[in-house]
Order: sequence, then structure tokens, then C-alpha cells
Amino acid sequence: QKEVEQDPGPLSVPEGAIVSLNCTYSNSAFQYFMWYRQYSRKGPELLMYTYSSGNKEDGRFTAQVDKSSKYISLFIRDSQPSDSATYLCAMGSNTGNQFYFGTGTSLTVIP
Amino acid sequence: ETGVTQTPRHLVMGMTNKKSLKCEQHLGHNAMYWYKQSAKKPLELMFVYNFKEQTENNSVPSRFSPECPNSSHLFLHLHTLQPEDSALYLCASSQDVRGTLGHNEQFFGPGTRLTVL
Repeated sequence: QKEVEQDPGPLSVPEGAIVSLNCTYSNSAFQYFMWYRQYSRKGPELLMYTYSSGNKEDGRFTAQVDKSSKYISLFIRDSQPSDSATYLCAMGSNTGNQFYFGTGTSLTVIP
Repeated sequence: ETGVTQTPRHLVMGMTNKKSLKCEQHLGHNAMYWYKQSAKKPLELMFVYNFKEQTENNSVPSRFSPECPNSSHLFLHLHTLQPEDSALYLCASSQDVRGTLGHNEQFFGPGTRLTVL
């Protein structure tokens, strides 16, 4: 079983839509949860970083962690064409020194 | 920009060549990482260095040889690679390696697109 599962998409939405991106994981020791955005031909860029369960909001982006279900989400409100990218989830534990990444979800926001 | 630079951005090499990838971070971080990114696969952690000491080697073939002369620089030496090694090689850095809130976020460079013929 993979440590982290993420639907690769592709996901295509019209401009202004609310986007929901999700990952599931199997290791209950994970405490740190991150979302990265990767544009074509660029390295991943950290978008959101959360610890343990709960929500975190930053502008149009909201990250949610449900540790009981081992499920994390990233919501993008009022999506823009500039949000078109691949979104990677990543997570790690207090004891490990590495993060585990999902395969990434490819998102296209159509003007 | 993230403060992590990588050179070259693109590299084409034959299976018998020897080449090196370079990474430099300007963030004052103590930990540096090499990842391999292949299409439709999760990022694969290859090596971790903390305060110049290698702390992780994820069963990487010996044709990949890392070097970390100081906390700001990281190299990946390549020799006798295989076509399946073609991928995007990403370098990252973080303040610390262990789970410390606010200190273990990883910042990535733009990557080196490697093609092995």
C-alpha cells in the first residue's frame, strides 16, 4: 500500500469555480501536511503547511486535515487560470526525516 | 524565487558520460535533499544531508554519488547512468530535518531535466 494516495486527474474547471483536491494516507503517525504547487518546468512551491488536524486559510486557499479519516484536502476558491498547475500533497511525522509525496493532481482552469 | 538554485537546468548525457548536478541554497538552512521526479510517480527522496552529514540514502544505485561540502552546496555526481534515470532531479533545503513546526518546510529549486541517451 502506498504511503500517500492522490488522484492524478487531470482536473479541468471553469474560471471562478471552487476546486477541491484531496489525498489519503495510511500512516497514522503523520503530523505535518503540506500542499505544493508545481508549474510546468518549475520546482514545487510550498502553498500551505499545517500541523495535526484542523483548517488553515490563506487567501483563496484552504487546507483541511482530518486525521481520523487520514484525509487531507486543499480548496481553491474563485479559481483563476494562473492556478493551472500540478498540486502535490506531502506529509511527514515527528520522528522521520523525510516527507512522503503524492503523485500530484494536474489542474487546468479554463478562462 | 525560492532561494534554491540548480545548475544546469537541462542535461543530456550518454550512458558512459560523467556529469555533476549542482545545487546552492541562500536561505541559511542546515538540511539539503535530492529528489527524483518521474512522470506519474511521487517524488522519490534520494539523499538527505543535515549539517553536511548524510542522514538518508534511500537505496539509491551507486551510479548516483552525492557530495555536500558545506551546508549551502550540494552536488550529485552521475556516472554510467541508464535511460530509465532520465527524470527531473530536484534539490530542496529546510532549516531542520526533524519534525519541528516552522523549521522543516522544504523549499525546492527549479530542477535539472536529465535525459540519458
